Amino acid sequence: ETGVTQSPTHLIKTRGQQVTLRCSSQSGHNTVSWYQQALGQGPQFIFQYYREEENGRGNFPPRFSGLQFPNYSSELNVNALELDDSALYLCASILRGSGTANTEAFFGQGTRLTVV
Amino acid sequence: AQSVTQLDSHVSVSEGTPVLLRCNYSSSYSPSLFWYVQHPNKGLQLLLKYTSAATLVKGINGFEAEFKKSETSFHLTKPSAHMSDAAEYFCVNSGTYKYIFGTGTRLKVLA
Repeated sequence: ETGVTQSPTHLIKTRGQQVTLRCSSQSGHNTVSWYQQALGQGPQFIFQYYREEENGRGNFPPRFSGLQFPNYSSELNVNALELDDSALYLCASILRGSGTANTEAFFGQGTRLTVV
Repeated sequence: AQSVTQLDSHVSVSEGTPVLLRCNYSSSYSPSLFWYVQHPNKGLQLLLKYTSAATLVKGINGFEAEFKKSETSFHLTKPSAHMSDAAEYFCVNSGTYKYIFGTGTRLKVLA
Protein backbone atom coordinates (compact mmCIF):
# COMPACT_ATOMS: atom_id res chain seq x y z
CA GLU A 1 0.00 0.00 0.00
CA THR A 2 1.25 3.46 -0.92
CA GLY A 3 -0.72 5.56 1.57
CA VAL A 4 -2.48 7.35 -1.28
CA THR A 5 -6.22 6.87 -1.16
CA GLN A 6 -8.79 7.72 -3.79
CA SER A 7 -12.55 7.87 -3.61
CA PRO A 8 -14.83 6.62 -4.87
CA THR A 9 -13.39 3.43 -6.36
CA HIS A 10 -16.08 3.17 -9.01
CA LEU A 11 -18.53 5.67 -10.44
CA ILE A 12 -21.14 5.68 -13.17
CA LYS A 13 -22.29 9.00 -14.61
CA THR A 14 -24.46 10.12 -17.48
CA ARG A 15 -23.12 12.14 -20.39
CA GLY A 16 -23.33 15.85 -19.64
CA GLN A 17 -23.11 15.45 -15.87
CA GLN A 18 -20.32 16.67 -13.62
CA VAL A 19 -18.10 14.52 -11.40
CA THR A 20 -15.68 15.10 -8.53
CA LEU A 21 -12.95 12.62 -7.68
CA ARG A 22 -10.94 12.83 -4.48
CA CYS A 23 -7.41 11.96 -3.46
CA SER A 24 -5.64 11.94 -0.13
CA SER A 25 -1.91 12.16 -0.64
CA GLN A 26 0.74 10.30 1.30
CA SER A 27 1.58 11.94 4.60
CA GLY A 28 4.02 14.81 4.13
CA HIS A 29 3.76 14.87 0.34
CA ASN A 30 3.13 18.36 -1.04
CA THR A 31 2.47 17.56 -4.69
CA VAL A 32 -0.40 15.75 -6.33
CA SER A 33 -0.73 14.80 -9.98
CA TRP A 34 -3.72 13.36 -11.80
CA TYR A 35 -3.61 10.92 -14.69
CA GLN A 36 -6.24 9.46 -17.00
CA GLN A 37 -5.78 5.87 -18.11
CA ALA A 38 -8.10 4.76 -20.87
CA LEU A 39 -8.64 1.06 -21.35
CA GLY A 40 -5.58 -0.62 -22.81
CA GLN A 41 -3.44 2.52 -22.72
CA GLY A 42 -0.81 4.09 -20.54
CA PRO A 43 -1.73 6.87 -18.12
CA GLN A 44 -1.87 10.38 -19.55
CA PHE A 45 -0.95 13.40 -17.44
CA ILE A 46 -3.84 15.74 -16.70
CA PHE A 47 -2.34 18.28 -14.30
CA GLN A 48 -0.32 18.74 -11.16
CA TYR A 49 -0.78 20.76 -7.99
CA TYR A 50 2.08 21.94 -5.82
CA ARG A 51 1.29 23.77 -2.60
CA GLU A 52 -2.29 24.44 -3.69
CA GLU A 53 -1.42 25.86 -7.11
CA GLU A 54 -1.56 24.23 -10.53
CA ASN A 55 1.98 24.10 -11.88
CA GLY A 56 1.67 21.91 -14.92
CA ARG A 57 -1.06 20.76 -17.27
CA GLY A 58 -1.34 18.17 -19.98
CA ASN A 59 -3.40 18.22 -23.13
CA PHE A 60 -6.82 18.22 -21.51
CA PRO A 61 -9.64 20.75 -22.02
CA PRO A 62 -10.63 23.31 -19.37
CA ARG A 63 -13.61 21.24 -18.29
CA PHE A 64 -11.00 19.20 -16.41
CA SER A 65 -10.17 21.24 -13.32
CA GLY A 66 -8.74 20.62 -9.91
CA LEU A 67 -8.04 21.83 -6.43
CA GLN A 68 -5.47 21.14 -3.77
CA PHE A 69 -6.25 21.83 -0.14
CA PRO A 70 -3.97 22.99 2.69
CA ASN A 71 -3.60 19.38 3.87
CA TYR A 72 -2.39 18.56 0.30
CA SER A 73 -5.40 16.42 -0.53
CA SER A 74 -6.84 17.07 -3.96
CA GLU A 75 -9.92 16.97 -6.13
CA LEU A 76 -10.35 16.42 -9.84
CA ASN A 77 -13.51 17.88 -11.32
CA VAL A 78 -14.80 17.07 -14.78
CA ASN A 79 -17.71 19.04 -16.23
CA ALA A 80 -19.95 18.16 -19.18
CA LEU A 81 -18.91 14.52 -19.17
CA GLU A 82 -18.38 12.81 -22.50
CA LEU A 83 -18.37 9.10 -23.29
CA ASP A 84 -14.61 9.28 -23.96
CA ASP A 85 -14.03 10.40 -20.38
CA SER A 86 -14.65 6.81 -19.31
CA ALA A 87 -11.32 5.73 -17.83
CA LEU A 88 -9.35 4.92 -14.71
CA TYR A 89 -8.29 8.14 -13.00
CA LEU A 90 -5.11 7.88 -11.00
CA CYS A 91 -3.79 10.22 -8.39
CA ALA A 92 -0.06 10.39 -7.70
CA SER A 93 1.54 11.81 -4.59
CA ILE A 94 5.06 13.24 -4.60
CA LEU A 95 7.33 14.91 -2.08
CA ARG A 96 8.88 17.74 -4.02
CA GLY A 97 11.33 20.34 -2.85
CA SER A 98 13.58 22.69 -4.71
CA GLY A 99 15.88 20.86 -7.13
CA THR A 100 14.10 17.54 -6.79
CA ALA A 101 12.00 17.63 -9.91
CA ASN A 102 12.24 13.96 -10.78
CA THR A 103 11.26 12.11 -7.69
CA GLU A 104 9.29 8.95 -7.21
CA ALA A 105 5.52 9.15 -7.37
CA PHE A 106 3.22 7.01 -5.27
CA PHE A 107 -0.05 6.12 -6.94
CA GLY A 108 -3.47 5.46 -5.53
CA GLN A 109 -5.67 2.56 -6.63
CA GLY A 110 -7.62 4.80 -8.95
CA THR A 111 -11.24 5.68 -9.58
CA ARG A 112 -12.95 3.83 -12.41
CA LEU A 113 -15.32 6.29 -14.10
CA THR A 114 -17.89 5.04 -16.57
CA VAL A 115 -19.87 7.57 -18.59
CA VAL A 116 -23.06 6.26 -20.19
CA ALA B 1 11.26 16.45 -25.21
CA GLN B 2 10.97 13.40 -23.00
CA SER B 3 9.41 10.21 -24.32
CA VAL B 4 9.52 6.44 -23.98
CA THR B 5 8.74 3.61 -26.37
CA GLN B 6 7.91 0.16 -25.18
CA LEU B 7 8.80 -2.18 -27.97
CA ASP B 8 6.45 -5.05 -27.16
CA SER B 9 2.77 -4.76 -26.34
CA HIS B 10 2.58 -8.41 -25.22
CA VAL B 11 5.23 -10.81 -23.91
CA SER B 12 4.61 -14.45 -23.00
CA VAL B 13 7.09 -16.55 -21.03
CA SER B 14 6.97 -19.86 -19.25
CA GLU B 15 7.21 -19.95 -15.50
CA GLY B 16 10.84 -20.20 -14.43
CA THR B 17 12.27 -18.71 -17.64
CA PRO B 18 13.83 -15.23 -18.01
CA VAL B 19 11.79 -12.10 -18.61
CA LEU B 20 12.85 -9.24 -20.89
CA LEU B 21 10.65 -6.18 -21.34
CA ARG B 22 12.13 -3.59 -23.66
CA CYS B 23 12.02 0.18 -23.36
CA ASN B 24 13.76 2.91 -25.34
CA TYR B 25 13.78 6.49 -24.21
CA SER B 26 14.31 9.92 -25.64
CA SER B 27 15.50 12.77 -23.50
CA SER B 28 16.90 16.23 -24.00
CA TYR B 29 18.74 15.95 -20.68
CA SER B 30 19.85 13.25 -18.27
CA PRO B 31 16.72 11.20 -17.79
CA SER B 32 15.00 9.87 -14.73
CA LEU B 33 13.49 6.54 -15.68
CA PHE B 34 11.14 4.24 -13.85
CA TRP B 35 9.42 0.92 -14.26
CA TYR B 36 5.96 0.49 -12.74
CA VAL B 37 3.77 -2.59 -12.59
CA GLN B 38 -0.01 -2.64 -12.64
CA HIS B 39 -1.93 -5.74 -11.65
CA PRO B 40 -5.54 -6.05 -12.82
CA ASN B 41 -7.84 -3.48 -11.22
CA LYS B 42 -4.97 -2.14 -9.15
CA GLY B 43 -2.98 1.06 -9.04
CA LEU B 44 0.63 1.42 -10.11
CA GLN B 45 3.49 0.02 -8.04
CA LEU B 46 7.08 1.17 -8.45
CA LEU B 47 9.46 -1.63 -9.41
CA LEU B 48 12.64 0.41 -9.73
CA LYS B 49 14.06 3.76 -10.73
CA TYR B 50 17.15 5.13 -12.45
CA THR B 51 18.45 8.51 -11.42
CA SER B 52 22.07 8.39 -12.70
CA ALA B 53 23.66 6.90 -9.57
CA ALA B 54 24.27 3.48 -11.17
CA THR B 55 23.53 2.02 -14.59
CA LEU B 56 22.32 -1.33 -13.24
CA VAL B 57 19.32 -0.80 -11.05
CA LYS B 58 17.89 -3.48 -8.80
CA GLY B 59 14.24 -3.37 -7.88
CA ILE B 60 11.67 -5.34 -5.99
CA ASN B 61 10.63 -8.94 -6.62
CA GLY B 62 13.88 -9.82 -8.38
CA PHE B 63 13.53 -7.32 -11.22
CA GLU B 64 16.40 -5.23 -12.47
CA ALA B 65 17.03 -2.84 -15.34
CA GLU B 66 20.13 -1.60 -17.09
CA PHE B 67 20.48 1.96 -18.34
CA LYS B 68 22.41 2.09 -21.62
CA LYS B 69 22.97 5.62 -22.82
CA SER B 70 24.58 4.54 -26.11
CA GLU B 71 21.46 2.56 -26.98
CA THR B 72 18.98 4.90 -25.23
CA SER B 73 17.51 1.82 -23.60
CA PHE B 74 16.26 0.86 -20.16
CA HIS B 75 15.17 -2.76 -20.47
CA LEU B 76 13.58 -4.61 -17.56
CA THR B 77 14.71 -8.15 -16.77
CA LYS B 78 14.10 -10.93 -14.30
CA PRO B 79 16.02 -14.22 -14.28
CA SER B 80 13.04 -16.44 -13.52
CA ALA B 81 9.39 -15.60 -14.05
CA HIS B 82 6.76 -16.38 -11.48
CA MET B 83 3.04 -16.71 -12.05
CA SER B 84 2.48 -13.65 -9.86
CA ASP B 85 4.51 -11.53 -12.30
CA ALA B 86 1.65 -11.59 -14.80
CA ALA B 87 0.63 -7.94 -15.09
CA GLU B 88 0.98 -4.77 -17.17
CA TYR B 89 4.37 -3.08 -17.03
CA PHE B 90 5.01 0.57 -17.79
CA CYS B 91 8.27 2.28 -18.59
CA VAL B 92 8.19 5.91 -17.47
CA ASN B 93 10.31 8.94 -18.26
CA SER B 94 10.08 11.80 -15.84
CA GLY B 95 9.74 15.30 -17.23
CA THR B 96 9.99 18.53 -15.33
CA TYR B 97 6.69 18.07 -13.57
CA LYS B 98 5.04 15.04 -15.07
CA TYR B 99 5.56 11.40 -15.86
CA ILE B 100 5.51 10.27 -19.49
CA PHE B 101 4.27 6.70 -19.70
CA GLY B 102 4.92 4.15 -22.37
CA THR B 103 2.01 2.27 -23.86
CA GLY B 104 2.63 -0.71 -21.61
CA THR B 105 3.69 -4.33 -22.00
CA ARG B 106 1.35 -7.05 -20.88
CA LEU B 107 3.33 -9.96 -19.45
CA LYS B 108 1.74 -13.37 -19.55
CA VAL B 109 3.32 -16.22 -17.58
CA LEU B 110 2.50 -19.72 -18.70
CA ALA B 111 2.46 -22.64 -16.29
